[in-house]
Amino acid sequence: AQSVTQLDSQVPVFEEAPVELRCNYSSSVSVYLFWYVQYPNQGLQLLLKYLSGSTLVKGINGFEAEFNKSQTSFHLRKPSVHISDTAEYFCAVRGGGSGTYKYIFGTGTRLKVLA
Amino acid sequence: NAGVTQTPKFRILKIGQSMTLQCAQDMNHNYMYWYRQDPGMGLKLIYYSVGAGITDKGEVPNGYNVSRSTTEDFPLRLELAAPSQTSVYFCASSYSSGLEAFFGQGTRLTVV
Repeated sequence: AQSVTQLDSQVPVFEEAPVELRCNYSSSVSVYLFWYVQYPNQGLQLLLKYLSGSTLVKGINGFEAEFNKSQTSFHLRKPSVHISDTAEYFCAVRGGGSGTYKYIFGTGTRLKVLA
Repeated sequence: NAGVTQTPKFRILKIGQSMTLQCAQDMNHNYMYWYRQDPGMGLKLIYYSVGAGITDKGEVPNGYNVSRSTTEDFPLRLELAAPSQTSVYFCASSYSSGLEAFFGQGTRLTVV
């Protein structure tokens, strides 16, 4: 079975500062990894995904994430945040084998960008 | 292209009432999902479907039922509403293994 741990429930950061949101996963099979963003009172929107290949993945809005198989991590980074990045961010995993259909989500990290 | 559409957006139910949350997608996706989101708990999978006529339980199925008679629709039924079912419900769909899920805008349900 897969699981996802997001180590920080809240992350405050000043505008234009860098940020890293941490995500660790557990799985006995190969996985696909995703980061989603949720703005207030909205659904989830895909930021980026790792399926295979290059371990550094670039997404929308200047975000990127690095897949680290040995540390089973998929941390999300942005070099300079904006007020508009204030939102909740979810890491998710899906098994890569046949017959694996479920997306398992972490508990979320609330990013608050301060002026 | 509407994507994943959920109705209603908001609903207040009394304890013991029943209702159906509607979900429709127009992307011809095989896989569809129902999640509930509670503060600090992330998203928990209620039920999922890998195609018309096929459904299976997720992590928290108790108190819910689903059906999938067509590729497009995946309604979620609450038979006897309880306060513990107060939550935000999200429907999602995906096309194939390894691709991302697309989410609806959610239904905020309050049971009083």
